[in-house]
Amino acid sequence: DAGVIQSPRHEVTEMGQEVTLRCKPISGHNSLFWYRQTMMRGLELLIYFNNNVPIDDSGMPEDRFSAKMPNASFSTLKIQPSEPRDSAVYFCASSLSWDNQPQHFGDGTRLSIL
Amino acid sequence: DAKTTQPNSMESNEEEPVHLPCNHSTISGTDYIHWYRQLPSQGPEYVIHGLTSNVNNRMASLAIAEDRKSSTLILHRATLRDAAVYYCILRVGSSNTGKLIFGQGTTLQVKP
Repeated sequence: DAGVIQSPRHEVTEMGQEVTLRCKPISGHNSLFWYRQTMMRGLELLIYFNNNVPIDDSGMPEDRFSAKMPNASFSTLKIQPSEPRDSAVYFCASSLSWDNQPQHFGDGTRLSIL
Repeated sequence: DAKTTQPNSMESNEEEPVHLPCNHSTISGTDYIHWYRQLPSQGPEYVIHGLTSNVNNRMASLAIAEDRKSSTLILHRATLRDAAVYYCILRVGSSNTGKLIFGQGTTLQVKP
């Protein structure tokens, strides 16, 4: 079975550029989560969706970050403009529902902003 | 959100059992106890979860204290592949939230 698929695996770009991270959740899963991991702050939840609707975006650091889920099989996390402090590993996860169902994580996108 | 406390690191020998402790003295009656682990260069992986009773699955066992203020994740025979960061997380069961609040976790080293 295919797990959560994230692309790209690695992204290196210059400060000020737009960055788009992509996620394909597991088929049949109704909830999707975006996390960010850094050495300083650990794993942080940025936003999550249920049935393609954003439920809680309180973890999104600032207006430069936006996330969309146009359909059940695709989500994007966009940073515009990017800054060096956005460098981190970004994980997408999905679950059958948003309650106590296990979350299944992708392998992440390692983002470096120069 | 209720907080969990875990040791920063633990060591184990290969093929021996490992007991990873977690304290959660402020747990409420509807909080579920979840465990995830993160292998190097990978995303977190679900291990097990429970509410009051001990739980077993193919990966591990979860022993929950009677007062629920602590729990222990048990790996019955550690392998080198079990070297990872293990996160103990409380997840609110009564409200409509999917949030996992990750702490610093316990880094488990497994020696051959």
